[in-house]
Amino acid sequence: QKEVEQNSGPLSVPEGAIASLNCTYSDRVSQSFFWYRQYSGKSPELIMSIYSNGDKEDGRFTAQLNKASQYVSLLIRDSQPSDSATYLCAVNLGGSYIPTFGRGTSLIVHP
Amino acid sequence: EAQVTQNPRYLITVTGKKLTVTCSQNMNHEYMSWYRQDPGLGLRQIYYSMNVEVTDKGDVPEGYKVSRKEKRNFPLILESPSPNQTSLYFCASSVQGANGYTFGSGTRLTVV
Repeated sequence: QKEVEQNSGPLSVPEGAIASLNCTYSDRVSQSFFWYRQYSGKSPELIMSIYSNGDKEDGRFTAQLNKASQYVSLLIRDSQPSDSATYLCAVNLGGSYIPTFGRGTSLIVHP
Repeated sequence: EAQVTQNPRYLITVTGKKLTVTCSQNMNHEYMSWYRQDPGLGLRQIYYSMNVEVTDKGDVPEGYKVSRKEKRNFPLILESPSPNQTSLYFCASSVQGANGYTFGSGTRLTVV
């Protein structure tokens, strides 16, 4: 069964710390991977995409991809209370152009 | 402003009364998709479209219909809504599916 798995959390970190969010997926041929942020009552917003093994950095965000181990992670450096949200991992499983979403990890950054 | 527009934002209806949720994007995107989001279940795909007149079922298509007669519009139709279709619905579009999706603001549907 094609799946994208995330720990639901909540993950609680102090302000200024590094938040680490993880995601595993079921399909070895997947090529496109995404992280979305969703604030309570709002729609998902794309924050990172990654296609190749290794790290991709954008500001305080770093996405890490390991296709052999079938996991993708998101690191948030210098976490701020405004980063408190649910983070959704999405994968275009099996080479599809339509993403399958994980259930999301709730992140709480406390002052 | 580039955006995906859904209407209505909130809708309360009765069982069996046909309804349509509209979705329109102004970015000339090829791909469009409908999702429903339920607590504990996350985002689940209902239907998607890769181009005009090309639609296909997602993971939870039962009870829903879609059409793609124009590139910009992708309405979601509930012919006979039931209470188990009470949910938060999102429309999303992408220039090309491997690039990530832009989401609309959502439609909160309650079927009583």
